Amino acid sequence: DAGVIQSPRHEVTEMGQEVTLRCKPISGHDYLFWYRQTMMRGLELLIYFNNNVPIDDSGMPEDRFSAKMPNASFSTLKIQPSEPRDSAVYFCASSRRDSGVYNEQFFGPGTRLTVL
Amino acid sequence: GNSVTQMEGPVTLSEEAFLTINCTYTATGYPSLFWYVQYPGEGLQLLLKATKADDKGSNKGFEATYRKETTSFHLEKGSVQVSDSAVYFCALRLRGGSNYKLTFGKGTLLTVNP
Repeated sequence: DAGVIQSPRHEVTEMGQEVTLRCKPISGHDYLFWYRQTMMRGLELLIYFNNNVPIDDSGMPEDRFSAKMPNASFSTLKIQPSEPRDSAVYFCASSRRDSGVYNEQFFGPGTRLTVL
Repeated sequence: GNSVTQMEGPVTLSEEAFLTINCTYTATGYPSLFWYVQYPGEGLQLLLKATKADDKGSNKGFEATYRKETTSFHLEKGSVQVSDSAVYFCALRLRGGSNYKLTFGKGTLLTVNP
């Protein structure tokens, strides 16, 4: 299996621009997670989906952030407008639930976002 | 609320030294506990886990024991290698229901010198 795929791997943009991060989860996984990693705050869960439906978006920092999952194989995290404080590494992860048993989350390689 | 506290890094060791990275937690329920590892330039990978008190998780020479009485899940390895250099994250997840949220510690950077 290819693992979780994220694109782009690096993104440099200017303040005020729209940024879209993309994620393809592992085939057959029904949970998808978006995390943000910074030196100051560590690893934070932004939002997660189950069967393409957002379950918990309480970690989304503000209205400038939005996430969608139009189908089981694709999700986007959009920031509009972007600000320098959004600079971070954004990770996507996916997992599968079998008969109520928790299965590990598999992480993608991340997108390093720099907002100038 | 739920939280995970890890020892501050960075930790620098010589090859073959003994490693301990402390992790304690607070949780509103009965959590499962995890250690994740992040190698340079990569995403996190599950290293080991324990789902109930006194369970010992182990993998690649690393071990951690779920201690409910001390709310701890310390990571240990008897002899580290240069290839173990990475950031290590302790995490918890409340058991039951459909709660899939992982709560992570801040991470501990380990550097192993030859």
